[in-house]
Amino acid sequence: SAVISQKPSRDICQRGTSLTIQCQVDSQVTMMFWYRQQPGQSLTLIATANQGSEATYESGFVIDKFPISRPNLTFSTLTVSNMSPEDSSIYLCSVLTFEGSPLHFGNGTRLTVT
Amino acid sequence: AQSVTQPDIHITVSEGASLELRCNYSYGATPYLFWYVQSPGQGLQLLLKYFSGDTLVQGIKGFEAEFKRSQSSFNLRKPSVHWSDAAEYFCAVGFNDYKLSFGAGTTVTVRA
Repeated sequence: SAVISQKPSRDICQRGTSLTIQCQVDSQVTMMFWYRQQPGQSLTLIATANQGSEATYESGFVIDKFPISRPNLTFSTLTVSNMSPEDSSIYLCSVLTFEGSPLHFGNGTRLTVT
Repeated sequence: AQSVTQPDIHITVSEGASLELRCNYSYGATPYLFWYVQSPGQGLQLLLKYFSGDTLVQGIKGFEAEFKRSQSSFNLRKPSVHWSDAAEYFCAVGFNDYKLSFGAGTTVTVRA
């Protein structure tokens, strides 16, 4: 099992600004993912955070809007850039440990854009 | 098209009654199958998973799920619901790349 800490847990941001969300794991993990959960909806995969290289984005998500970093095996950040009210969502970090499946999820970051 | 379907958006069940949540998938191959639960303000917690083998899977909190290949289903069940089971339940599927696709979720309300 892995303990995942996401910061901040929630934030209210102004339109046009950017927010960086941090995901810290208490042990080294092989894979890290970022998901979005829009209000009242299910989870959608944004991207796979790759250590030392550019993230791999899913259809509909681009690096300019959601830049991601993963400098090591325990840490990743997701930035939501130039925010609009449509970006109001819960953003969740998930990880795959070296023990394999399943994915473990953090408690998420609840973002409100006004 | 590939998809995960949870037909029931909202289910209300009495405490002590049984619960069954439906999940169907549409993929060319049999995926890995998961059920997660999300309590209000919390992240996702894994209830159980199916990769292969015995089609009846036992999970945490008294939940079980049955994989039926012929029906492309992976329904979640609990014989006797507790008030603390009120939450949102997500069925998810994945393959070797570990990228999960989630169903829309089913909200469970437990009445006294």
